[in-house]
Amino acid sequence: DAKTTQPNSMESNEEEPVHLPCNHSTISGTDYIHWYRQLPSQGPEYVIHGLTSNVNNRMASLAIAEDRKSSTLILHRATLRDAAVYYCIHRFGNEKLTFGTGTRLTIIP
Amino acid sequence: EPEVTQTPSHQVTQMGQEVILRCVPISNHLYFYWYRQILGQKVEFLVSFYNNEISEKSEIFDDQFSVERPDGSNFTLKIRSTKLEDSAMYFCASSEGTITEAFFGQGTRLTVV
Repeated sequence: DAKTTQPNSMESNEEEPVHLPCNHSTISGTDYIHWYRQLPSQGPEYVIHGLTSNVNNRMASLAIAEDRKSSTLILHRATLRDAAVYYCIHRFGNEKLTFGTGTRLTIIP
Repeated sequence: EPEVTQTPSHQVTQMGQEVILRCVPISNHLYFYWYRQILGQKVEFLVSFYNNEISEKSEIFDDQFSVERPDGSNFTLKIRSTKLEDSAMYFCASSEGTITEAFFGQGTRLTVV
């Protein structure tokens, strides 16, 4: 199974940017890097995904290292609603998502 | 915005009983999944389904589990004889393709007593 390494927890102040790191040193050339989050008592929610280039969408930005062994999810301006567990996942090209323990992000008002 | 819907939101059943968890995936999606999350633990993959057949299943998905897409809109997970350890949140998900995002439902909380 795919292995990613993320900090167990992080804190950030409201309205400040948040950088959530992920190491995926065993990633292969065709694996995509996906980020999902899980708000309390809800199902996982897609955030963003990418292959090699940095990606932006309305929720976040994804910065992928040149060697693809790490990536960073960037929330540009954290709100209280962004408090969640964030999962970094890379796929082997099959269909399933393999969730780890993720990073629990706490937003301080 | 299209969403995956799951029913019921909470199901309580006696050990040994059969349960069916129902999901309505997003209408143009082709890939369907079930995951579960035992309280306080990781989200675990159970099964993926494409083209009316199982494409992958985990070790958890034993003979007690089955999935079906009976009418082109619903996607169901059946547990034939529930055990206490089947108590968990069960999430249905769907996606257009294998490397696009998956959309998850809000889950069914299954409690086996």
